[in-house]
Amino acid sequence: DAKTTQPTSMDCAEGRAANLPCNHSTISGNEYVYWYRQIHSQGPQYIIHGLKNNETNEMASLIITEDRKSSTLILPHATLRDTAVYYCIVRVYNTDKLIFGTGTRLQVFP
Amino acid sequence: NAGVTQTPKFRILKIGQSMTLQCAQDMNHNYMYWYRQDPGMGLKLIYYSVGAGITDKGEVPNGYNVSRSTTEDFPLRLELAAPSQTSVYFCASSYGTGDAPLHFGNGTRLTVT
Repeated sequence: DAKTTQPTSMDCAEGRAANLPCNHSTISGNEYVYWYRQIHSQGPQYIIHGLKNNETNEMASLIITEDRKSSTLILPHATLRDTAVYYCIVRVYNTDKLIFGTGTRLQVFP
Repeated sequence: NAGVTQTPKFRILKIGQSMTLQCAQDMNHNYMYWYRQDPGMGLKLIYYSVGAGITDKGEVPNGYNVSRSTTEDFPLRLELAAPSQTSVYFCASSYGTGDAPLHFGNGTRLTVT
């Protein structure tokens, strides 16, 4: 599975957009990009995923570059409850596994 | 909808003891997974199953066993507990591969002393 690289930590002011980058330069054409987050020690929470096109749902937007070597998760109006560790993962279509990295610790401050 | 249910929430074991971590899902998902998370680290895959009767090893399977006799249940067995198995264990399930997100339970916090 392709590896991902994320910054260790980021800060964001409450109400502002949080933009979390992820590099996946070895991604293959059939690999999806997934984003999860983990608040305290709870189970990881699914946020969004995509293959080639940008995606948006009620939680976030996912922007994937045209060459697919990097992506950005956007939380449009961050709240204190968005403070969490965010994981960017690439997953091959016909495999059964999600392999987690160490993620980005996002701190939203008032 | 309960989703993925894990029991117990917490457990303390003595070295050499055995226990089974239970995981059940009510979403009729074929795929189920066990992960462990050590303090300050990401999740590591222990075992996974693509359907009843089928299991396979993940990244860190040593010291664990699994079985999958039904679609709903995927128990994880620790036979001889060691301090290195102190961790938080997460179970997850999925409809399928690739385009299907995993849904996680809330974890079992295990301490081996």
